This record gives sequence, C-alpha cells and structure tokens, in this order.
Amino acid sequence: SYVLTQPPSVSVAPGQTARITCGGNNIGSKSVHWYQQKPGQAPVLVVYDDSDRPSGIPERFSGSNSGNTATLTISRVEAGDEADYYCQVWDSSSDLPGVFGTGTKVTVL
Amino acid sequence: EVQLVESGGGLVKPGGSLRLSCAASGFTFSSYSMNWVRQAPGKGLEWVSSISSSSSYIYYADSVKGRFTISRDNAKNSLYLQMNSLRAEDTAVYYCARGFGSYIDYWGQGTLVTVSS
Repeated sequence: SYVLTQPPSVSVAPGQTARITCGGNNIGSKSVHWYQQKPGQAPVLVVYDDSDRPSGIPERFSGSNSGNTATLTISRVEAGDEADYYCQVWDSSSDLPGVFGTGTKVTVL
Repeated sequence: EVQLVESGGGLVKPGGSLRLSCAASGFTFSSYSMNWVRQAPGKGLEWVSSISSSSSYIYYADSVKGRFTISRDNAKNSLYLQMNSLRAEDTAVYYCARGFGSYIDYWGQGTLVTVSS
C-alpha cells in the first residue's frame, strides 16, 4: 500500500511561515489534499488537488507538489492555526485507495 | 447545508458486534461516494472503508477486511458500517465522510466505539 510520511511536529512563531511536508513515492504524479484537525473536532479540508482552497479557507494556506514531496504552507501563522494537519492521496492501484499521511502537529509558539 | 450525523457507537466487549449508521442530509446522497474514517485515541486518521454512489465499488482497509461491512441505502439517505469480531484495537472515533473525487469534502462529528471487557 502507498505510504505518506509527515514530520511529527512543526513549531512556528506567530506571523512566520510554517511548512509541512508529505513524502511519498512519486507523489508529484498524484493529487494531494490537506486537512486541518483541531482537538475534539472533525477534520476540515484546507487544500485540495495540490493547491486549491475550498471556499472559506484563508489565502494564507497554500500547497505545492512535485517529485517525492508535497508541501502545505501556512503564511503569517496565527494562534488559531495550531492543529494537526494530514495529507491524503487517492492511490487507485491500492486495495484501499484512500490514504492519509501520518499527521503533523503544528505548534504556534 | 450538508449534514452527516453518525450514531450507533458505544461500549462493546471483544468479539462483539456493532452497527454504525450515518444519516445524510442537505445534498443528493445517491450521487456521492461515502467513506468511514476512524481515529484511535491520540492517534492519526485511518481510512476504514469506501463505497461508491451505487455500491458498485467497495473498499476496505486490511485491518478490517472480513470483519466489517459497509453498505448504503440511497432511498433512506443512509450509510452503514457493520462491525463484527471487534477487537480492542478497533477502539476509535468513527467518522462518516462524503467523498468528492479523490478527497473528502464533508465530515460528520464522529461516534465513539470502545471495545473493552
């Protein structure tokens, strides 16, 4: 099955930029989606198809994908961005196509 | 407004069974694939099962294959997950989630399943 690897944690000061990576074999050939999950809440989609944002998601959230790494970038980080973030792909060659990354805890210092 | 409301969670003994339900509203249920995703306490998200809009395609995680059965009733706008032979490692919050292409665009609030003696 397809494996997506994320760093366990990222720390960032308010107003700075947080970058969360998602590694996978030739992930650049797939569409990558990102979810934000705050404690006690269901996940929320923040980026889909590598770099598109759902309505209501601030422009501060952006994504990119190339080679073996996809990246979620959060610019001008705010305290409210503190959460867990998960990448996700749909791997049609797998028995279960839906795959989540291992998750990254973003801490705002 | 899209709403997904799970029910059926609770405490069950190892080896027992439970059936989760998800009531959908605010969209044309029969047009969308649906999914179950779970999250064990303090752990990450795990994709459990998916079902296409007409039930033609069904997928399961290896961890639940042969024990869990996903189904849907488009006339009742409902999604189900029949869970048999439950194990302690199945303890988790189970989310009902709407599929849109290759991603999930809406999630329910989840229902907690605890497997313990």
